[in-house]
Amino acid sequence: DVKVTQSSRYLVKRTGEKVFLECVQDMDHENMFWYRQDPGLGLRLIYFSYDVKMKEKGDIPEGYSVSREKKERFSLILESASTNQTSMYLCASGGTGVNQPQHFGDGTRLSIL
Amino acid sequence: DQQVKQNSPSLSVQEGRISILNCDYTNSMFDYFLWYKKYPAEGPTFLISISSIKDKNEDGRFTVFLNKSAKHLSLHIVPSQPGDSAVYFCAGYYSSNTGKLIFGQGTTLQVKP
Repeated sequence: DVKVTQSSRYLVKRTGEKVFLECVQDMDHENMFWYRQDPGLGLRLIYFSYDVKMKEKGDIPEGYSVSREKKERFSLILESASTNQTSMYLCASGGTGVNQPQHFGDGTRLSIL
Repeated sequence: DQQVKQNSPSLSVQEGRISILNCDYTNSMFDYFLWYKKYPAEGPTFLISISSIKDKNEDGRFTVFLNKSAKHLSLHIVPSQPGDSAVYFCAGYYSSNTGKLIFGQGTTLQVKP
């Protein structure tokens, strides 16, 4: 069974801090994704990576960066946290096949004060 | 531009009856559509998918219908159970989009005992 693990379930940080969200998958998937979920807006893609050291911007990359040094690990970085980045952050991984659905972690509820 | 839309934020049905969740899309390039289910404090889990060359796919109590001419798909749950109460997201996928999923806003389903 696929396991996507996010390092923290809940996180509280202060405005201006640099924040790291970590995600690890155990299925050797090529693709990994970071989303944020906000009420009424669904899941919006922040960044994704289709290979080690490769990354592409999603729909809302502003204020974020990512790092993928190893295949199983994908990190989301908030360079200087702001209150509008308070949200639920979801990591996902998936294969390259057309019928390989993405598998999600349980999410990190991040609050920026 | 919202390529995948779920226009009903919420739906309430009685246990044992049918639940119908709707989704509209604008992008004709989608190869697959997927439905995900999300409980509070958990990540979304894959439920069922349908290829764009089919008009129906069934898995137990869950059936997804696709009407390409109307650019509309629906998820039917029969019979509905209280454990089905969750947020349901539909998503579109096209292979030329590097495996990205485009999600709708989600519909919250409440099944009353």
